[in-house]
Formats: sequence, structure tokens, C-alpha cells
Amino acid sequence: DAGVTQSPTHLIKTRGQQVTLRCSPKSGHDTVSWYQQALGQGPQFIFQYYEEEERQRGNFPDRFSGHQFPNYSSELNVNALLLGDSALYLCASTPSGQGIRMGGYTFGSGTRLTVV
Amino acid sequence: QKEVEQNSGPLSVPEGAIASLNCTYSDRGSQSFFWYRQYSGKSPELIMSIYSNGDKEDGRFTAQLNKASQYVSLLIRDSQPSDSATYLCAPHNTNAGKSTFGDGTTLTVKP
Repeated sequence: DAGVTQSPTHLIKTRGQQVTLRCSPKSGHDTVSWYQQALGQGPQFIFQYYEEEERQRGNFPDRFSGHQFPNYSSELNVNALLLGDSALYLCASTPSGQGIRMGGYTFGSGTRLTVV
Repeated sequence: QKEVEQNSGPLSVPEGAIASLNCTYSDRGSQSFFWYRQYSGKSPELIMSIYSNGDKEDGRFTAQLNKASQYVSLLIRDSQPSDSATYLCAPHNTNAGKSTFGDGTTLTVKP
């Protein structure tokens, strides 16, 4: 049973560039949440996708956007990268319905983004 | 003040001892509570969930919840060096359908 897969694992970008991160949820899960984890801090909620729509959004600027595809996979896009965007980006999946309500994530291994 | 506060670390215990990790939260919409373990350089892994007041035991782990006090804790009995990791407390708002994470407590178990 495949877990949550994320790509790429590491990425180095220059300030001002744009980046796209990808996530495939665990089999049987159709809800994807994205989190940003800066060094030494806990994961911060960016947004959640279900049924190809953004359902919830955290306190992140519009430079952060996303998409969910019919196969439930998801992308996170970040425009106009800042040095402060350097972090581990985590994708978490849950089954819908009761899964969204009750919680309990399966995380991917993350994408380490470094902005120079 | 942060929505989720965890006891400041690092926490160091000898092998075989009990490790006690604490967490308080401010969102009263939180009805599910989770503990994740995160090894250095890895992603979080769900290790415990608790939904009702009281204690829940799973092997060497015991989660405790007191919703009135907005407090949740994790006890690790017979701590092993392999338990050395950062433990993240994550209350889940069931209406919003999202979890808010604390900054974690780093536990070191010394042989």
C-alpha cells in the first residue's frame, strides 16, 4: 500500500523564482493538506484540498497557491520566492468525510526547499 | 500566545525511565488530539490519537486528555534510545477539519 509520495525531495531556488511541489495521497485518501515547517518549528497549515477545491486556508499570502487533480494528487505553487520560504514542505492526506472531521494525517517525506 | 504550547525542551531521560510530554491548546473547537513523532530530518509520524477525556494506552504510550483544562499529555514508559525524537502535539478542529501543531518537544533517551 503506497503511502504519501512527494516530489522532489530537495530543491534549491533563487529569490524571485517560482516553484511547484507535487504530492500523491495515500491510496484510499482523497483529501490533501499542505504544511510548511521551518527549522525548529512545528508544521504550519497552508491549505487543504478536497474535491479539487481549496477548502481551508491558513495565514499564508496569495503567493502560495495550489491545485488538486481528479486523481486526488495535488500541487503547491509558490511565486516570487523569498528567503523566508526556505522550509520543509509537507503533504498530508486523510480520507474524506469522517477522516476530515476526526483528523489524523499520513505525511509524505516532504520537500526541502532552499531559497538563496 | 501560540494556539498550541508544548513544554520547552530539550527533555533528557535515562533509558527505562518515564518521559512526560505536555501540551496546552486554546482552540475549544478542537475535539480530536494527536501526537506525532518526528525523527531528525524526517517527516512526522502519527503515534497516538485521543478523542475523549481520560487516558488511552497503546503499548508503552499513554495519552491523557482533559478538555476542560485544555490539556493533553503523552507518557512514554520504559523509554528507549529509539524514542529519541521531537514529539508534536496536534489538536484537530473538527469543524474546520484541520490540525494545528505545537513546536514540539525534543526528547533524548540516554543509554
